[in-house]
Amino acid sequence: KAGVTQTPRYLIKTRGQQVTLSCSPISGHRSVSWYQQTPGQGLQFLFEYFSETQRNKGNFPGRFSGRQFSNSRSEMNVSTLELGDSALYLCASSSHQTSGGGGYTFGSGTRLTVV
Amino acid sequence: ILNVEQSPQSLHVQEGDSTNFTCSFPSSNFYALHWYRWETAKSPEALFVMTLNGDEKKKGRISATLNTKEGYSYLYIKGSQPEDSATYLCACRDTGGFKTIFGAGTRLFVKA
Repeated sequence: KAGVTQTPRYLIKTRGQQVTLSCSPISGHRSVSWYQQTPGQGLQFLFEYFSETQRNKGNFPGRFSGRQFSNSRSEMNVSTLELGDSALYLCASSSHQTSGGGGYTFGSGTRLTVV
Repeated sequence: ILNVEQSPQSLHVQEGDSTNFTCSFPSSNFYALHWYRWETAKSPEALFVMTLNGDEKKKGRISATLNTKEGYSYLYIKGSQPEDSATYLCACRDTGGFKTIFGAGTRLFVKA
């Protein structure tokens, strides 16, 4: 079966612009989480969604937002981009309502570069 | 605050050596502990998910243990091979928090 699909794979944006990243989970998976990885940092938690509801959000400014659609696909948006937003953004899906019970399947990530 | 710590930060071993890493997490409100292997240019791949105190899991030469009362998990690799070179991540989920927090990882280098 198809894995977790993230688009686009690479993106270059200018400071001040906004960007939307997409994640299609494994078919049947209803939980989607987003993480940011910057050089020297671990995976920083951004959001967790289940059945179109955001269940939790990490310690990121309000410029970071997201949503989940009825087909479980998820998008995250970053407005007014800053240089420090340059990172690898990973999406992970899980079949478990509690997510933690079943582990995650990760997408390949979107590499965002802000110039 | 859910804080997950891993040690060591990096590790260099020779082919054939056995090695282990540590993951520490808050013991209160524990729900699940995950281990992932992340190879360069690939996505993190799930190794184990453990929920019960005393859990031990094994996959080939890799095994993991869990102590939820004292808040730690060990990952063991027996007879390391160059293809084991990767970053090993642990992640912890607490009850009711609806988020899974990752440690910074242990970077393993296995020299042939």
